[in-house]
Amino acid sequence: QKEVEQNSGPLSVPEGAIASLNCTYSDRGSQSFFWYRQYSGKSPELIMSIYSNGDKEDGRFTAQLNKASQYVSLLIRDSQPSDSATYLCAPSAITGFQKLVFGTGTRLLVSP
Amino acid sequence: DTAVSQTPKYLVTQMGNDKSIKCEQNLGHDTMYWYKQDSKKFLKIMFSYNNKELIINETVPNRFSPKSPDKAHLNLHINSLELGDSAVYFCASSQDTGGAGGYTFGSGTRLTVV
Repeated sequence: QKEVEQNSGPLSVPEGAIASLNCTYSDRGSQSFFWYRQYSGKSPELIMSIYSNGDKEDGRFTAQLNKASQYVSLLIRDSQPSDSATYLCAPSAITGFQKLVFGTGTRLLVSP
Repeated sequence: DTAVSQTPKYLVTQMGNDKSIKCEQNLGHDTMYWYKQDSKKFLKIMFSYNNKELIINETVPNRFSPKSPDKAHLNLHINSLELGDSAVYFCASSQDTGGAGGYTFGSGTRLTVV
């Protein structure tokens, strides 16, 4: 089993729709969870962090965490073509020193 | 201005050569990392340093040797380059080893071994 699993996509949504990105992780001890956005040829950019079960909203982005199910998701409301990118889920593994363990990412395509 | 800067941005070299990548952060962070992103876009940690001390060393060939002269700098030297080393190498930093605020990544170094 991979440490972090994401559907590679592409996930195609029309402009203005809600994009839902999902992630499951294997390390039950993970406490911190991050979503990064990576445009093609660019570096990962932190867009959301979540530490407690439930929802966390920041503008058009909502992160959802369910530690019991080892599941974290990212919702993007009112999707824009500029949101087209790969979204990487990164729980923080706590075995030894903490480190971010990345999923392979979900490619999102928002069509005008 | 750049928070985490890496040089060079592109590196094309022949098999068997030795090369170095440099990284500097001006965020005042204590912890720095090297990640490798392969052709399938999988981002995998290689090394982590906290205040100049190596704290994470994943299963990486010993041809790769990181060096941290101070907490703001983390360099990566690669000996006897192989075709499989071709990838994008990202440097990153975080406030501390807990990484609570997430990591800030550099712009990456695209290494191509021919």
